[in-house]
Amino acid sequence: QQQVKQSPQSLIVQKGGISIINCAYENTAFDYFPWYQQFPGKGPALLIAIRPDVSEKKEGRFTISFNKSAKQFSLHIMDSQPGDSATYFCAATPGAGANNLFFGTGTRLTVIP
Amino acid sequence: DVKVTQSSRYLVKRTGEKVFLECVQDMDHENMFWYRQDPGLGLRLIYFSYDVKMKEKGDIPEGYSVSREKKERFSLILESASTNQTSMYLCASRGFGPWSGELFFGEGSRLTVL
Repeated sequence: QQQVKQSPQSLIVQKGGISIINCAYENTAFDYFPWYQQFPGKGPALLIAIRPDVSEKKEGRFTISFNKSAKQFSLHIMDSQPGDSATYFCAATPGAGANNLFFGTGTRLTVIP
Repeated sequence: DVKVTQSSRYLVKRTGEKVFLECVQDMDHENMFWYRQDPGLGLRLIYFSYDVKMKEKGDIPEGYSVSREKKERFSLILESASTNQTSMYLCASRGFGPWSGELFFGEGSRLTVL
């Protein structure tokens, strides 16, 4: 079964808008939540990550919001740009050094000019 | 700059053929991984290795095997390729330590089995 549920599957946003991708999990042992960004023809690359001791982490236009009680976390992309068009994967693992990193199914984001 | 190199970007094989996918990393990482990426299913772990000659099954190991004879190299082997193994295969590596959560991925090997 899918350990991390991700939605939506695809997302179209106007340039300058806010892109929001949501993920949910059940396993309370998860304590490290990275997001990976994948451009066409490339492998995924780490974008931003959070641990559950904080409710929000911001890096530039990218923000992770984390709700531990609801077991949900989301990625917000502010002022979305066409260059942000990519597939985004959320993931979760019981510890940053653990080998079993569970990925969501991915969201294909298209930012239209 | 860190680098994970997958030697074959595109392969076309016939059912029953033996397939080797090679991956090399230049970061002296202990951990290496093989994932399979399919639309709507995300990334699923096939096998990983935490040291030379050591391997562990991931979520979908059936039909696959791996080899790690040197620290920098991790190979995925399909003993007898089948059409349901048509997919994108991604190799990744990661260092050792509690905050080494970042996976470094190669660019992928797209395998088509006819």
